[in-house]
Amino acid sequence: QVQLVQSGAEVKKPGTSVRVSCKTSGYTFTRHGVSWVRQAPGQGLEWMGWISGYNGNTNYAQKFRGRVTMTTDTSTSTAYMELRSLRSDDTAVYYCARGGIVPGDYWGQGTLVTVSS
Amino acid sequence: EIVLTQSPGTLSLSPGERATLSCRASQSVGSSYLAWYQQKPGQAPRLLISDASSRATGIPDRFSGSGSGTDFTLTINRLEPEDFAVYYCQHYGSSPFTFGPGTKVDIK
Repeated sequence: QVQLVQSGAEVKKPGTSVRVSCKTSGYTFTRHGVSWVRQAPGQGLEWMGWISGYNGNTNYAQKFRGRVTMTTDTSTSTAYMELRSLRSDDTAVYYCARGGIVPGDYWGQGTLVTVSS
Repeated sequence: EIVLTQSPGTLSLSPGERATLSCRASQSVGSSYLAWYQQKPGQAPRLLISDASSRATGIPDRFSGSGSGTDFTLTINRLEPEDFAVYYCQHYGSSPFTFGPGTKVDIK
């Protein structure tokens, strides 16, 4: 069965970086993209971008360009999302989802990133 | 950037009733590139509908989607207790693939 398992919760200081991993299984990684979506506490969903599992091409939301990098490791079927220069308003649950240019049909469990001094 | 507006913000209904949720785009999303998700507290979103009207795998047929261009509707017939949740629409016609602010369906 398709599974996306994300790395554990993180607590970071402002100005630092965080990298969240998303290990996939149950499908051919290179045939699908991986999207990243975040949700601040009590707020709605925010699309961050996506990466192709086939060739690593990325498409980032303008809001995050310059601060986010999405990568993949096809040998382990894992996607990564790094967010730099963290601010308090980056505190959120970060989700990965199988998809990309199509809607996310399978989602990870979410990773809480807390940014606090 | 396409902005999605969802209405109402909250819908208070009883089990067995029909829910009608609206999602309006600031410009055409191109064909029918619109999805609907359900999210319950503490859980990841769950894909319900893609391409405006295609139910995702395993989604009960009481969920249906319709619309095209800029106006879309999610209908839930005969609400079950497990359907009380927040519902989001998302377009994927052109980047960024933004989400609407959500509609909360709660128990009246």
